[in-house]
Amino acid sequence: ILNVEQSPQSLHVQEGDSTNFTCSFPSSNFYALHWYRWETAKSPEALFVMTLNGDEKKKGRISATLNTKEGYSYLYIKGSQPEDSATYLCAFSNDYKLSFGAGTTVTVRA
Amino acid sequence: GAVVSQHPSRVICKSGTSVKIECRSLDFQATTMFWYRQFPKQSLMLMATSNEGSKATYEQGVEKDKFLINHASLTLSTLTVTSAHPEDSSFYICSALVGEGSNQPQHFGDGTRLSIL
Repeated sequence: ILNVEQSPQSLHVQEGDSTNFTCSFPSSNFYALHWYRWETAKSPEALFVMTLNGDEKKKGRISATLNTKEGYSYLYIKGSQPEDSATYLCAFSNDYKLSFGAGTTVTVRA
Repeated sequence: GAVVSQHPSRVICKSGTSVKIECRSLDFQATTMFWYRQFPKQSLMLMATSNEGSKATYEQGVEKDKFLINHASLTLSTLTVTSAHPEDSSFYICSALVGEGSNQPQHFGDGTRLSIL
């Protein structure tokens, strides 16, 4: 079992504010780092798959960075909206299998 | 695209019952599917990797005779929890790969909440 940790476990953010949270993972035998958004009563939705150290990816107001040497990734939400409320999962891959963190649950308050 | 359908979404049954959960890729062919389990407040834990036409690969600590996986076609994998007991109560979710390689995202079903009385 690979140790993938996400911090914080949960956070509340005011609508319009920006926020970020972290995922730490083993820095050895790295293949890829995945981010998923999981809304209540829906299936997890892939946001990003990142493979290279220094990668930065963006999808709308959400972006992510990757540092494979020190084993962490940040996810940023700019100008949070109520529809951003969800649990954000990161998952580390050292082959085709994924090891997930427990997630960061984001609640955006109007 | 890349829609995965999982059925049923919720099962409540008596101890000793066997329960089958289906995972279908609706608009693509999936040679590889994954089955995960999630206990409350914990992360998704991989149970097994399901490969079309061959035996599933189980993770350490997962009993293959307890959790039977069949991947008989390129669009369907099934997980059967045999003689389920209350400790098997959990959230089970499947995913599928469109392509190959660890840089491909997984596409998930909606999950199945299993409650054994």
